[in-house]
Amino acid sequence: QQQVKQSPQSLIVQKGGISIINCAYENTAFDYFPWYQQFPGKGPALLIAIRPDVSEKKEGRFTISFNKSAKQFSLHIMDSQPGDSATYFCAAAPNTGNQFYFGTGTSLTVIP
Amino acid sequence: ETGVTQTPRHLVMGMTNKKSLKCEQHLGHNAMYWYKQSAKKPLELMFVYNFKEQTENNSVPSRFSPECPNSSHLFLHLHTLQPEDSALYLCASSPRQGATNEKLFFGSGTQLSVL
Repeated sequence: QQQVKQSPQSLIVQKGGISIINCAYENTAFDYFPWYQQFPGKGPALLIAIRPDVSEKKEGRFTISFNKSAKQFSLHIMDSQPGDSATYFCAAAPNTGNQFYFGTGTSLTVIP
Repeated sequence: ETGVTQTPRHLVMGMTNKKSLKCEQHLGHNAMYWYKQSAKKPLELMFVYNFKEQTENNSVPSRFSPECPNSSHLFLHLHTLQPEDSALYLCASSPRQGATNEKLFFGSGTQLSVL
């Protein structure tokens, strides 16, 4: 059973556009929602994370929107740049232990 | 660099071979992890070590055998693997297991191909 469902699988965006990646979960015990960015040949690296006590978190061009009632969260990349081309993984973790449940990843390509 | 180093970067092995993957972290962390990354699948947690003690084993086949001699080093011993075990194996570390806002620091992985 997949704990975190991520979409789309791949995304192509023009430079300067907005990239949006969505994730959904079922387990109400999840209380930490990070996004990881992975470039080819590298391991994932933490990009931004949110807890359910806020509905939005912004760091530079990256924003997480969180809808607790819908059990959904999304990553928005504003003014997308070719350097943002990477695979993005959402994840969720419960408030006990540290088992991170990852989505299947979204391959983002930003066209110049 | 993330402070987590994995070797080798690439490994090709036959089904009857025995090989080992190595991970070393220079971050002073106490928890180390092995993840399996396959195309179009979520990252799969395989093993977790916290202060050198194994705390998680997610029903991983016995052909994968982890070893954690100290908090800085983690090994994954491989033997009689199957072609479906071909994947990117990622090592990660965090300051300690159990805190939910812990950031995972990943290595670049070992791309394993089983022939």
